[in-house]
Amino acid sequence: GAVVSQHPSWVICKSGTSVKIECRSLDFQATTMFWYRQFPKQSLMLMATSNEGSKATYEQGVEKDKFLINHASLTLSTLTVTSAHPEDSSFYICSAIKGLRGSEKLFFGSGTQLSVL
Amino acid sequence: GDSVTQMEGPVTLSEEAFLTINCTYTATGYPSLFWYVQYPGEGLQLLLKATKADDKGSNKGFEATYRKETTSFHLEKGSVQVSDSAVYFCALSPPLGGFQKLVFGTGTRLLVSP
Repeated sequence: GAVVSQHPSWVICKSGTSVKIECRSLDFQATTMFWYRQFPKQSLMLMATSNEGSKATYEQGVEKDKFLINHASLTLSTLTVTSAHPEDSSFYICSAIKGLRGSEKLFFGSGTQLSVL
Repeated sequence: GDSVTQMEGPVTLSEEAFLTINCTYTATGYPSLFWYVQYPGEGLQLLLKATKADDKGSNKGFEATYRKETTSFHLEKGSVQVSDSAVYFCALSPPLGGFQKLVFGTGTRLLVSP
């Protein structure tokens, strides 16, 4: 089946630094990718929709200037957490849509655990 | 808004035990319901789904029935294996919602011991 690769799997950083997470569709092109986060004991929540060649669409309450999304190619979307703080510590997951409308399937990355000290 | 509530884990079972993971939802209209599974080190993958009331989704020995009257979609398996150890996510999608409108639960970790 299709594979979505997400890196890194985990990252620890100091408060105030920026962290970049990559999401790649390895064997298909993805016009649309999604970014989610999950805080401990909470639901997996959609943060933003990443569209190749255009600006990302952010869900209500997600700061677009803090969570920078770049989808410059059909196989790569990146999420940069800028000036990270301890409250940004969370599990981040990406997913990508494969296929044409009517036969689309969704494939997920394995997630990135971010810990901000 | 729409929401999904699933039982808190971890659920710890011995091999060949019966599994139930509860999932209830709140939604307007008739959403589609899903169970996703995340094995260690891998991404979530669709396990089964049901798109209308009384539908039963099934896959790999797992099954779940869409119960409109109780707004539930409980996951069951008659005899679990060690290889079923994973995190299971219940999710819904509103009518005509598409992938962008997927609403997930918290996930339930299942640990199966030999």
